[in-house]
Amino acid sequence: GNSVTQMEGPVTLSEEAFLTINCTYTATGYPSLFWYVQYPGEGLQLLLKATKADDKGSNKGFEATYRKETTSFHLEKGSVQVSDSAVYFCALWGGGGGFKTIFGAGTRLFVKA
Amino acid sequence: DAGVIQSPRHEVTEMGQEVTLRCKPISGHDYLFWYRQTMMRGLELLIYFNNNVPIDDSGMPEDRFSAKMPNASFSTLKIQPSEPRDSAVYFCASSLRSPDEQYFGPGTRLTVT
Repeated sequence: GNSVTQMEGPVTLSEEAFLTINCTYTATGYPSLFWYVQYPGEGLQLLLKATKADDKGSNKGFEATYRKETTSFHLEKGSVQVSDSAVYFCALWGGGGGFKTIFGAGTRLFVKA
Repeated sequence: DAGVIQSPRHEVTEMGQEVTLRCKPISGHDYLFWYRQTMMRGLELLIYFNNNVPIDDSGMPEDRFSAKMPNASFSTLKIQPSEPRDSAVYFCASSLRSPDEQYFGPGTRLTVT
C-alpha cells in the first residue's frame, strides 16, 4: 500500500540556518503531496501542497518540489527562525491509496536563537 | 470562519467511564475526519464521513469506540468504557468537496486514569 517515510528528528538548527527535511513516498499511482506543520498544543496546519510531478509548493518561505523520478518531496527553507520550531508532517493522498491521507511520522524541528 | 471547533480541549476521566468528544467542522465542508495522535503510533485515522455518512471506519480500534454525525455541523466520538490506553490527543478535521486538503481542529487531550 501507499506509504510515506520522513527523516527522523529532532532536527536542531541555529537561527538563519538552511533547513532540509527529507520525505520519500511509495504509491501505485500519482498522488497529491503535502507538508503539514504542528505547533505546540495545536492541530496540524497545511503548509504547502503539490498535485503533480515537477510542481513546486511554497508558503511562508518553505518550498518542496514533487519529484516523481526519486519519489521525493523534500521540505526546504533558506533561513529558519525560532518561530519555525514545530513538528512537520509529510503526507500523500490519492495515487491508488483511496481517500485516506497517509501521514509520515513527523519530524520535530528546534531552532535556537 | 472560526475553523474547526473541538470540545472539550482537555478531558480527564477514570477507567470505565464514558467519554464523548465533540466536533464542529468548518461550514460547508463535506468531509469530516477523526484522528488519534500518540507518541508511539503517531497520527492514526479512526473514521471519516462524507456528507454525514460514515465511509471508512476501519481505523476504529475496538467496539468501545463509536462515532456519529447527525448533521453537517456536528460530530461526536464516544468511548465506552474508556481505558488508560485510550489516552491520546484526538483531532477532528474537515475538508471541502475532496478529502485531500484538511483543516484540523485544536484537538482534545484525553487522559484516562
